[in-house]
Amino acid sequence: AQRVTQPEKLLSVFKGAPVELKCNYSYSGSPELFWYVQYSRQRLQLLLRHISRESIKGFTADLNKGETSFHLKKPFAQEEDSAMYYCALSGNQGGKLIFGQGTELSVKP
Amino acid sequence: DAGITQSPRYKITETGRQVTLMCHQTWSHSYMFWYRQDLGHGLRLIYYSAAADITDKGEVPDGYVVSRSKTENFPLTLESATRSQTSVYFCASTPDLDNSPLHFGNGTRLTVT
Repeated sequence: AQRVTQPEKLLSVFKGAPVELKCNYSYSGSPELFWYVQYSRQRLQLLLRHISRESIKGFTADLNKGETSFHLKKPFAQEEDSAMYYCALSGNQGGKLIFGQGTELSVKP
Repeated sequence: DAGITQSPRYKITETGRQVTLMCHQTWSHSYMFWYRQDLGHGLRLIYYSAAADITDKGEVPDGYVVSRSKTENFPLTLESATRSQTSVYFCASTPDLDNSPLHFGNGTRLTVT
């Protein structure tokens, strides 16, 4: 069964500090993994996806199949990064996109 | 992303009543989804649809019914609302699961008293 786990409900860091939001998944096939973000009073939106191997707003995420992880990282957090972050997985099961529980990132000045 | 709209934005209903949440998208996206957002659970998939007249259950379908008679609409009905269905409901759509992101609506905050 597909499962996404984000172990931290809340992550609080100071501006300029590195940040890592953890995501672990369970899936027997080849997963597609994503990070979505919800800023205050805004809609959920895609931040990045693993197949793109891109950096968005300074964030990167690497798929580690051995550890079944897809952690989101940023070397220097900014106050505007404060938001709710969701890790999501899509398998080859006809359309299901499963989200984790979410991690609220709070970047303090 | 004004192309996907949910209505109403807020709804209060009583236990046992039927309530329908509407979702409309103007892009003719094939895939549409309904999620509920709860503290501690994140987003959980209720139902999804790959095309008109094709729907399938997600993680938490019990107590909900969906239909997709037209590509652009994907209403979610609570047949007999319960307090445990108090939540924020999000609709989303995408043309292609592999190459396109989900586009989310603004959400409907439902309270069941």
